[in-house]
Amino acid sequence: KAGVTQTPRYLIKTRGQQVTLSCSPISGHRSVSWYQQTPGQGLQFLFEYFSETQRNKGNFPGRFSGRQFSNSRSEMNVSTLELGDSALYLCASSITQGPGPFPNYGYTFGSGTRLTVV
Amino acid sequence: GQSLEQPSEVTAVEGAIVQINCTYQTSGFYGLSWYQQHDGGAPTFLSYNGLDGLEETGRFSSFLSRSDSYGYLLLQELQMKDSASYFCAPPSGDKLTFGTGTQLKVEL
Repeated sequence: KAGVTQTPRYLIKTRGQQVTLSCSPISGHRSVSWYQQTPGQGLQFLFEYFSETQRNKGNFPGRFSGRQFSNSRSEMNVSTLELGDSALYLCASSITQGPGPFPNYGYTFGSGTRLTVV
Repeated sequence: GQSLEQPSEVTAVEGAIVQINCTYQTSGFYGLSWYQQHDGGAPTFLSYNGLDGLEETGRFSSFLSRSDSYGYLLLQELQMKDSASYFCAPPSGDKLTFGTGTQLKVEL
């Protein structure tokens, strides 16, 4: 069973550019979440999609956006990149359908995309 | 809002037992998850407590007391490969909120 696939693994961009990251969830998983991980701020929730709808959004500026396709694959986009956007961006998939009883197998994370903004 | 507290670092010797505590304040509480992350790697799900009590999975156990807003992860028979960061993460709504993580160093 394939895991969560994130592409690319590494990316170097210049300030002001935009970037698109991709995530393919585990087959059958309809929920895809994105997280940003930095040494200073830890793991922070960006947004979550379920059946092509954004259900939850973290406290990030509008430069951060995402979408989910009908096959559950998801992309996130960061526009007008800033140096502070340098981070590991992690995608997680889950079969969870919403709040309430939580499946005991949790979220499965991809290996992440390491974005460096110079 | 959400508030999670974990020790930032714990050091133990190989073969020992270590307990990583997590205290939380969160709305819409649905239980407590634990994740392990090795340097440069992805967080990996370890366990979930939806109800009070102890859940055991091999060398790892996790405990939850909802009345005390407290949980812990217990690692037994520590191995060098257990050196990693450990996060408590209560699921809330459609997201996980991660604590700052505890870096566990296992020494010989």
